[in-house]
Amino acid sequence: DIQLTQSPSFLSASVGDRVTITCRASQGISIFLAWYQQKPGKAPKVLIYSASALQSGVPSRFSGSGSGTEFTLTITNLQPEDFATYYCQQLRSYPLTFGGGTKVEIK
Amino acid sequence: EVLLLESGGGLVQPGGSLRLSCAASGFTFSDYAMNWVRQAPGKGLEWVAHISGSGTETKYADSVRGRFVIFGDRSTSTLFLQMNSLRGEDTATYYCAKRRRDGYNSDLEYWGQGTLVAVSS
Repeated sequence: DIQLTQSPSFLSASVGDRVTITCRASQGISIFLAWYQQKPGKAPKVLIYSASALQSGVPSRFSGSGSGTEFTLTITNLQPEDFATYYCQQLRSYPLTFGGGTKVEIK
Repeated sequence: EVLLLESGGGLVQPGGSLRLSCAASGFTFSDYAMNWVRQAPGKGLEWVAHISGSGTETKYADSVRGRFVIFGDRSTSTLFLQMNSLRGEDTATYYCAKRRRDGYNSDLEYWGQGTLVAVSS
């Protein structure tokens, strides 16, 4: 199985900050990685797919990069509505796996 | 507009069975793969099962293989998850999700609101 390691698991930041979350895969997954945002009590929603493609309707302050085993999600100019938990997911092979999550909280 | 509406969750005793449903609308059901994902209380996301648009290919997480069955009814555009031999560790909110494409490697583009399954005596 492909393991995904997200870091950090917790992040404290202020409105306007630039935030970077890393997801490392235990083996190469090409660009088959997605990023999801989840708010308390809500279903996850996709932000980024194919490592760097921005989902329709998602603000351009969200961006993704990487390929192979190392990926990043960057949020520039952090907004109040961005405080949430973020997960990466590999779609290279079954079983599909998620990273452990990164909770972004207000400093 | 794509809508996914799960139902069927509830309290069940260990060893019992439950069938979850996910009513899909806003897209041609047989053209897209569908998945189930779960989330234990206070925990992260866990992928559970996959079914292709045609229904001919299914995949399962090791933790549920042999106990859970994913299937779909194209006539009603409904996805199901039959859960047997339930254990305490199956307690979670279960989400159905539509893949972006029917083929491999596509992400979970749309999600339902989830249904809670609690396994306890």
